[in-house]
Amino acid sequence: KAGVTQTPRYLIKTRGQQVTLSCSPISGHRSVSWYQQTPGQGLQFLFEYFSETQRNKGNFPGRFSGRQFSNSRSEMNVSTLELGDSALYLCASSLNGGGGYTFGSGTRLTVV
Amino acid sequence: DAKTTQPPSMDCAEGRAANLPCNHSTISGNEYVYWYRQIHSQGPQYIIHGLKNNETNEMASLIITEDRKSSTLILPHATLRDTAVYYCIVRVVITGGGNKLTFGTGTQLKVEL
Repeated sequence: KAGVTQTPRYLIKTRGQQVTLSCSPISGHRSVSWYQQTPGQGLQFLFEYFSETQRNKGNFPGRFSGRQFSNSRSEMNVSTLELGDSALYLCASSLNGGGGYTFGSGTRLTVV
Repeated sequence: DAKTTQPPSMDCAEGRAANLPCNHSTISGNEYVYWYRQIHSQGPQYIIHGLKNNETNEMASLIITEDRKSSTLILPHATLRDTAVYYCIVRVVITGGGNKLTFGTGTQLKVEL
């Protein structure tokens, strides 16, 4: 079966711009979670969506937002980019938020 | 949130068992222990998870202590391709619904000839 697909794989943006990242979960999976990975902070939870509703949010500023569509695909948006937002952004899908989580390959965002 | 503590690095000879320890002394009764590994900044790969019983699959075995305060991931016959960062994770169940994976800093496992 197809895995979790994240697009784009790489992205370079300028400070102050905004960016939208996309995640297509495994077919049938209704839960999508987003994580930020940086060398300094490691992997940190951003938010979780289930059936188009945000169930949880991590400790990130309001510049980080997301949504989930009726087909379970999810997008996350970062507005007013800062240099510190440079990171690998990963999404993970699961059937209903429990069991095994499958991660995508991530989107590497570089803010210059 | 429950935190996990792992040694920063470990070495293992190819063909031998790799035993990766994890401490999660603040884990709650309904929180699962997950293990993932990550190679070269790819997406983390699921290995195994459990609540309180020992678990085994085609990749590894998970041994959870009776008090659930620690666990050990066992790769029975490590190969060079098992070189990766291994994360011990607690799945936190959020009041009102939802879950999140709380990652620790991981163990860099190096498998050598």
